Amino acid sequence: DIQMTQSPSSLSASVGDRVTITCRASQGIRNDLGWYQQKPGKAPKRLIYAASSLQSGVPSRFSGSGSGTEFTLTISSLQPEDFATYYCLQHNSYHTFGQGTKLEIK
Amino acid sequence: QVQLVESGGGLVKPGGSLRLSCAASGFTFSDYYMSWIRQAPGKGLEWVSYISSSSSYTNYADSVKGRFTISRDNAKNSLYLQMNSLRAEDTAVYYCARVEGVAGPFDYWGQGTLVTVSS
Repeated sequence: DIQMTQSPSSLSASVGDRVTITCRASQGIRNDLGWYQQKPGKAPKRLIYAASSLQSGVPSRFSGSGSGTEFTLTISSLQPEDFATYYCLQHNSYHTFGQGTKLEIK
Repeated sequence: QVQLVESGGGLVKPGGSLRLSCAASGFTFSDYYMSWIRQAPGKGLEWVSYISSSSSYTNYADSVKGRFTISRDNAKNSLYLQMNSLRAEDTAVYYCARVEGVAGPFDYWGQGTLVTVSS
């Protein structure tokens, strides 16, 4: 089974900050990775697919990069509505989520 | 627009059974793989199961294999999850999600239904 190691597990940041979240796969997954945002009490919402493609309607301050085993989600300038929990998902071999990153206001 | 609406959650005793449903609309249901994902209270997301568009292929997480059965009725645009031999650790919000491509990522999610397993 492919394991996804996501870091950090939590992150405190301020509005306007640039933040980066990382996911590492236990084996190569090409670019079969997506990023999701989840707010309390809500279903996850996809932000990025195919590692670096922005989902329609998602602000351009969100970007993804990586291939193989190392992937990053970057938010270029945090907005108040971005404070949420973020998950990566690999779908190269079945489906595995990262453990999540809770992004909190500093 | 794509809509997925889960139902059937509730309180059940350990060892009991429950059947979840997911009503789909806004897309050609029979063209898509579908999946169930769950989230225990305060925890992360866990993929549970998926089913191919024609029901010919299913797959399950090891944690539910042999206890849960996924199925679908394309004529009714509905997805199901039959859960037997429920355990306390199955307590979670269960989401249905549309799968992009063949066993690809999840592009649309329902709002979830809460299953609580407790005596």
